[in-house]
Amino acid sequence: GENVEQHPSTLSVQEGDSAVIKCTYSDSASNYFPWYKQELGKGPQLIIDIRSNVGEKKDQRIAVTLNKTAKHFSLHITETQPEDSAVYFCAASVGGTGGFKTIFGAGTRLFVKA
Amino acid sequence: DAGVTQSPTHLIKTRGQQVTLRCSPKSGHDTVSWYQQALGQGPQFIFQYYEEEERQRGNFPDRFSGHQFPNYSSELNVNALLLGDSALYLCASSFQGVTPQPQHFGDGTRLSIL
Repeated sequence: GENVEQHPSTLSVQEGDSAVIKCTYSDSASNYFPWYKQELGKGPQLIIDIRSNVGEKKDQRIAVTLNKTAKHFSLHITETQPEDSAVYFCAASVGGTGGFKTIFGAGTRLFVKA
Repeated sequence: DAGVTQSPTHLIKTRGQQVTLRCSPKSGHDTVSWYQQALGQGPQFIFQYYEEEERQRGNFPDRFSGHQFPNYSSELNVNALLLGDSALYLCASSFQGVTPQPQHFGDGTRLSIL
């Protein structure tokens, strides 16, 4: 069945450093790749997304890259701040006009040390 | 502009009972998806509703069922509760399009089975 693997499970960085989270997906029909940030006691919050016809997207300190051939996608956070500490999830969605399903990775707990 | 709202926030049930969880989508959204998130794990897709019909389903047994109302709100029903059903249940809403659309999540219902 569909699967999304996410690494690392835990990441600790110093404030100001960069953080990189990597994911692979199994379903080659996946056509949308969102990233979510989840803080304690809250639901996941969409922080950036990328579609299968785009290789890279950037929004201020956050960037995502997608390699469709290798079925890899990555999240890059630059100039990390303590408020970036949270659990981050990658996901892969497949579908169209008949509806879509989204498969999530297991999450990466990011600690940013001040 | 209200986001996704879920009720109740917490619920305690015993094995064998039945439960109904409720979700109101973000204003303007017409599609509702439900997810189960076990402690320390990523959300797992249960099913998606659009135009009052189940459009996509994940790998969950028939004990999990749902409904969508004409005002786009939705319910998740779980019958014959098992200890393993203890989890955070998340609702996400989106538009329906020709490709998967960004989903907005509520803060979830924490279900505990005794």
